[in-house]
Amino acid sequence: ELKVEQNPLFLSMQEGKNYTIYCNYSTTSDRLYWYRQDPGKSLESLFVLLSNGAVKQEGRLMASLDTKARLSTLHITAAVHDLSATYFCAVSPGGSQGNLIFGKGTKLSVKP
Amino acid sequence: NAGVMQNPRHLVRRRGQEARLRCSPMKGHSHVYWYRQLPEEGLKFMVYLQKENIIDESGMPKERFSAEFPKEGPSILRIQQVVRGDSAAYFCASSEIRDTEAFFGQGTRLTVV
Repeated sequence: ELKVEQNPLFLSMQEGKNYTIYCNYSTTSDRLYWYRQDPGKSLESLFVLLSNGAVKQEGRLMASLDTKARLSTLHITAAVHDLSATYFCAVSPGGSQGNLIFGKGTKLSVKP
Repeated sequence: NAGVMQNPRHLVRRRGQEARLRCSPMKGHSHVYWYRQLPEEGLKFMVYLQKENIIDESGMPKERFSAEFPKEGPSILRIQQVVRGDSAAYFCASSEIRDTEAFFGQGTRLTVV
């Protein structure tokens, strides 16, 4: 059974600081996704990582994928309050984006 | 182009009642996926449907839960004889074809009292 583990599950950080969220998965997968979810809202797609060594950046967020280590990271640079949300990683065992296996999420709180 | 539309947004049912959750995919999308999110948890895949067909229902509980996606109209997730443990947020996503990006709806938050 494919498992996806994120850590930390809770993260409280100050504005301006850097931090990394980790996502490990248990079997091979050729796609990894990062989503953001605000309280009571739907999921917003942040990144889709398709190959080993893939790195994508959007604003203060950068995601990378190491398929050999079965590890993805989401790095936050100089955090701001607007980044407070829950971040999920997900993998697709069959390659389709539809039936995804999600991690439990990392609840990020950025304080002034 | 409207996004994935789910209704109702909030649904309260008493134990033993039926819950019907609707999902209208984005225009041009014929693939629909349902997920359940328990409090403080990630989403768990339930079922994948194409028009008039169930493609993968490996995540659906064996009893009380069913899903359909008719030729016309929205996809429906039906939960019969709801129990407290069914309380969760139910999200659907849709995609144009199987391997293209899936977009999520706003979810239906079901509360069983």
